[in-house]
Amino acid sequence: DSGVTQTPKHLITATGQRVTLRCSPRSGDLSVYWYQQSLDQGLQFLIQYYNGEERAKGNILERFSAQQFPDLHSELNLSSLELGDSALYFCASSPGIVYEQYFGPGTRLTVT
Amino acid sequence: GQQVMQIPQYQHVQEGEDFTTYCNSSTTLSNIQWYKQRPGGHPVFLIQLVKSGEVKKQKRLTFQFGEAKKNSSLHITATQTTDVGTYFCAGVGGAGSYQLTFGKGTKLSVIP
Repeated sequence: DSGVTQTPKHLITATGQRVTLRCSPRSGDLSVYWYQQSLDQGLQFLIQYYNGEERAKGNILERFSAQQFPDLHSELNLSSLELGDSALYFCASSPGIVYEQYFGPGTRLTVT
Repeated sequence: GQQVMQIPQYQHVQEGEDFTTYCNSSTTLSNIQWYKQRPGGHPVFLIQLVKSGEVKKQKRLTFQFGEAKKNSSLHITATQTTDVGTYFCAGVGGAGSYQLTFGKGTKLSVIP
């Protein structure tokens, strides 16, 4: 158990819908990262927040957005969902900006 | 942008054989991290290398960081079935860069 929690574990939704994935970092960690992992694909970095502020942006689609709240939990919003958005979405946290990352168990999103 | 290439993509070994995965970056890295993801699991941090030419060992695992800080390797001696999983390297770019770029991983299968 890494100490990072993600909800929900599984999500099945239809194309065109919007969903919100939630992540609570390890106690004391200020950085939160979001990754997308498709079948047989590596980890695609989406976005990073540090202490409430966006720090780095990766290959995140305009249909996706995220935020980190004052209590440091983070949410990833995915809208106008397409079949290709079906993937495992991981959240990770770390104490600072360039440290090892601790991954949550992931949210498996299925778009039908 | 920064790219991290990892080879091989797949490796099947007989239990007891050695295994090596290689990681190459298109740019000089400030540090490199290695993660392991078991089937159905989430990535777990293994180690971070920071210094040029650094070598670190964890039991049967040996990690190396190249002299030019552009490549790295993970070597497992006498593989066991518990070593099964996907091994990812992840590099942090040069000065001013905080983004961790993951390689696509090497999926290791161990035949008992």
